[in-house]
Amino acid sequence: QLQLQESGPGLVKPSETLSLTCTVSGASISSGSYYWGWIRQSPRKGLEWIGLIYHNGNSHYNPSLKSRVTMSVDTSKKQYSLKLTSVTAADTAVYYCARIYGANLGDFWGQGTLVTVSS
Amino acid sequence: EIVMTQSPATLSVSPGERATLSCRASQSVSSNLAWYQQKPGQAPRLLIHGASTRATGIPARFSGSGFGTEFTLTISSLQSEDFAIYYCQQYNNWPPALTFGGGTNVEVK
Repeated sequence: QLQLQESGPGLVKPSETLSLTCTVSGASISSGSYYWGWIRQSPRKGLEWIGLIYHNGNSHYNPSLKSRVTMSVDTSKKQYSLKLTSVTAADTAVYYCARIYGANLGDFWGQGTLVTVSS
Repeated sequence: EIVMTQSPATLSVSPGERATLSCRASQSVSSNLAWYQQKPGQAPRLLIHGASTRATGIPARFSGSGFGTEFTLTISSLQSEDFAIYYCQQYNNWPPALTFGGGTNVEVK
């Protein structure tokens, strides 16, 4: 059974870097049909797509966040990661990792992890 | 950027009644439109893709329609487990640029 689990600090200071990892179990991270994505949700902005990465490392980012986002993948560990630099309070949100079918559809999501940006 | 607008923001419906939710795109997305359901404390769940195709395991009381810029999600007879927030999402871009609507909260009348 597919499971995605987000992990990382729940509190990040302003101007620092938010780092999260998603661990995939129950399925191959190298499946040809799927990208692996990050989506966040906040009361202010609702659901906001952050980026996608393929198992070969090809990635696509939300243009509004592109200058601050880096995603990476480690197929041997069945993990992929998100780094978001220079965070502010506006980056406070629940961060979800999700399997993205065809680079389009979030067909399976992790439970989400709350990240708060505060000093 | 394609902007997705959902209406109404809140829909009050009695159990057993029909619910009709709307989603409008700022420009045509063809049939590249999905619907998700989110319950409190849970991640969104994919209900519909391709504007009208139910995802695996989704009951037949959920149906989607529309093309271009106007889309509808209909729940034919609301069950207690259907009270939730529903989001539309377009995926008409390459490179990918997934964008979501603001959601419709379906609440008990």
